[in-house]
Amino acid sequence: QKEVEQDPGPLSVPEGAIVSLNCTYSNSAFQYFMWYRQYSRKGPELLMYTYSSGNKEDGRFTAQVDKSSKYISLFIRDSQPSDSATYLCAIAPGPSNFGNEKLTFGTGTRLTIIP
Amino acid sequence: DSGVTQTPKHLITATGQRVTLRCSPRSGDLSVYWYQQSLDQGLQFLIHYYNGEERAKGNILERFSAQQFPDLHSELNLSSLELGDSALYFCASSPRGTSNTEAFFGQGTRLTVV
Repeated sequence: QKEVEQDPGPLSVPEGAIVSLNCTYSNSAFQYFMWYRQYSRKGPELLMYTYSSGNKEDGRFTAQVDKSSKYISLFIRDSQPSDSATYLCAIAPGPSNFGNEKLTFGTGTRLTIIP
Repeated sequence: DSGVTQTPKHLITATGQRVTLRCSPRSGDLSVYWYQQSLDQGLQFLIHYYNGEERAKGNILERFSAQQFPDLHSELNLSSLELGDSALYFCASSPRGTSNTEAFFGQGTRLTVV
């Protein structure tokens, strides 16, 4: 079983729609949860970063973590064509794992927003 | 701009050759991570250095090695290259001293082995 599972898509939605992107993970030791956006031929760019369960909002983006079900989500409201990219979830162990902070990534979901 | 600089941007080389990829982390970041991204494997963690010391190894082949220098820049050495090593290689850096894994990625080096 992979440590992080992510539906690769592709996902196409019309402009203005709400987008929901999701990942599941298998190890309850993970405590840091991140979403990265990657445009074609570019490096991943950190979008959202959360620690433990709950919601975090930043503009049109909301990250949600449910540690009880090991499920993380990214919601994009009022989606724009410029949001078209690959979205990768990433997880990392908690503070007790200093020295082993590697990120484990999902495979990424390719999203296209149709004007 | 993430503040992480990778050189070169593109590299084309023949099988059996050796190449060196370079990464300069963000100012003040002591941690450097190397990742490989291929179409069928996604982003795979290779190795992590913290302040010059190797901290963790992932799916890194024995033909690959890395180091982090006193000025904190890092190099990834790939030798005896094979066609399957063609991929994007990313370096990321993160803030010093904690398990804060808010990593910032460079633009990558696209390696093509022919």
